[in-house]
Order: sequence, then C-alpha cells, then structure tokens
Amino acid sequence: SQQGEEDPQALSIQEGENATMNCSYKTSINNLQWYRQNSGRGLVHLILIRSNEREKHSGRLRVTLDTSKKSSSLLITASRAADTASYFCATRGAGSYQLTFGKGTKLSVIP
Amino acid sequence: DTAVSQTPKYLVTQMGNDKSIKCEQNLGHDTMYWYKQDSKKFLKIMFSYNNKELIINETVPNRFSPKSPDKAHLNLHINSLELGDSAVYFCASRGEGDTGELFFGEGSRLTVL
Repeated sequence: SQQGEEDPQALSIQEGENATMNCSYKTSINNLQWYRQNSGRGLVHLILIRSNEREKHSGRLRVTLDTSKKSSSLLITASRAADTASYFCATRGAGSYQLTFGKGTKLSVIP
Repeated sequence: DTAVSQTPKYLVTQMGNDKSIKCEQNLGHDTMYWYKQDSKKFLKIMFSYNNKELIINETVPNRFSPKSPDKAHLNLHINSLELGDSAVYFCASRGEGDTGELFFGEGSRLTVL
C-alpha cells in the first residue's frame, strides 16, 4: 500500500513567499527523501533526511522529520517562479532499499 | 551527457499491440528500476534489477516483461497493450551508498488507443 501522503495536494503562492509541504507515512523508515518533478520531466532528488535526524538544510530547502508522528515537512523559503513543480516525498523502509512515493504536492509560484 | 536516458519519450499505439521502452544509465549503478506514474501522478514501483538480476517484481500483469542485458540497461516490453496501460513509465537507477537516492530518466509517455 502507499506509504507517503503529501499535504496539501496543491499549493499556490506568490513569488517571495515560503512554501511548506507535509508528508505522512505509516511504517518505520531508514530515511525520507524529497524529489521535485517539473511538468513533463523526470523526478530529481532534492534532499534526504535519515531517521535519526530531525532537521536538515540545503540552500533554500529545510526538511524536518518527526518519527514519533511519522511525518516530515519540506519548507522552500523565498520561493521563485522556477520552483513551480510537483514535490514528492519518498520513504525507504527499514531494512529495504525500495523507495515508496507519495502522490505529491503541486506547487505553483506566481510571479 | 544524460545520466539515465529512456526511449522513446512518446509512444502512441493501438490496443493489442506489443511495444518496448528502452533505458540506459551511464552512472555505473548496479540497481535499476521501472516505475509507472498514472494520470493522478501516483508513482508505483514495477520492477527492480540488481546487476542483471530481478530483485523486485511488484504485482504487475505478466504482459509486462523487463529485460536487463547488462547492468547499464533495463528494457521494458509490454505485450497485448490495454487502455489501462496508458501512463508515464520512468526508469531510474540507484546511487551508491546506503541512502537509496534514485536518478530518474525523463519518462516515456505511453498512450494506448
């Protein structure tokens, strides 16, 4: 069954604002990864957070992980029109290399 | 150089036909995958190969047959195509180390009429 569930399904913001997307999952994980998919393109890895980490930063991206609540959030600060894309969380289960993806959040950044 | 390349990018065909999608990666990775993305953007794993050997075979009709001639290539052959097979098919390879980061191709959009 599907592991990750992103929330919201769609998000529309003005350029310069921050965008927050959430992901919930069901079982124990080794790590959680976020990917971006531009329209008509493949998925691109953005950032990974391990199960023993609580927060991670990469440029304008900030990821948090709460294993007690089985949830993660992705924050994109100072959004740009080029950030318009779908964002997916993917979980790697403990003892497995298989990644299971959520349905994604479609982010629209209006110039 | 494209790391993971798929061909064709678009494929339009009639029900009942047989078609293949090819995938090649030049990253030197041992593990490759096929994912199917439906119209609602849900991405579901279909198959995984490690060094030419099948290691994951999710519940996929046996009309779908992966073939890996070497660890850099993973092709997907589909027999007797059905309307429900219409989707975008993504090939991916897994990076080294224990993180499991995936590198995706650009996708092959299959439309069955």
